[in-house]
Amino acid sequence: GAVVSQHPSWVICKSGTSVKIECRSLDFQATTMFWYRQFPKQSLMLMATSNEGSKATYEQGVEKDKFLINHASLTLSTLTVTSAHPEDSSFYICSASGATGDFNEQFFGPGTRLTVL
Amino acid sequence: GESVGLHLPTLSVQEGDNSIINCAYSNSASDYFIWYKQESGKGPQFIIDIRSNMDKRQGQRVTVLLNKTVKHLSLQIAATQPGDSAVYFCAENQAGTALIFGKGTTLSVSS
Repeated sequence: GAVVSQHPSWVICKSGTSVKIECRSLDFQATTMFWYRQFPKQSLMLMATSNEGSKATYEQGVEKDKFLINHASLTLSTLTVTSAHPEDSSFYICSASGATGDFNEQFFGPGTRLTVL
Repeated sequence: GESVGLHLPTLSVQEGDNSIINCAYSNSASDYFIWYKQESGKGPQFIIDIRSNMDKRQGQRVTVLLNKTVKHLSLQIAATQPGDSAVYFCAENQAGTALIFGKGTTLSVSS
């Protein structure tokens, strides 16, 4: 149980276009979802926290107008990278909590590799 | 965990050896700690966790030690196997907050 999926698993786009990444909790209702970004050979950096039906809370230094997060249902959160540029190329990973009664526990998706040309 | 660095430290061991991976965390208020394994191109995989009211927890071939006095966490892997080769991250949080990840350590196991 407690499976989180992401779609797509990888995407290549041209500079200036927008890309949407989906994060789904497949067998539980995710009260909270988190988005992380990971550059090569670096750690996961938290970008934002989203609760269903509420506006996402962004970490310092993360542009909310560039990284649009929508958490419209208890099983789906989306991250849209708007006007993507090569420096946005990264591995984007989501996680979700709510599968158990313990909010500490988060379940991670497999990640989405974004390459901006 | 510590703030993100540009270079991941590497631990190289021989198959069958015991491995110890260390992590220093920053938030004394954190009450939950987790070790994750990440293979190339994949999301983090849960290994073992420990709460702040414990100082040791054992799993299958893995042991996590927590020293709250010096804010230090370690992961011990017994009889390390080539399949254990990956990047290992510690993470911390308080209930209701996001996980914060440490720098990560690359474990390389040679047979």
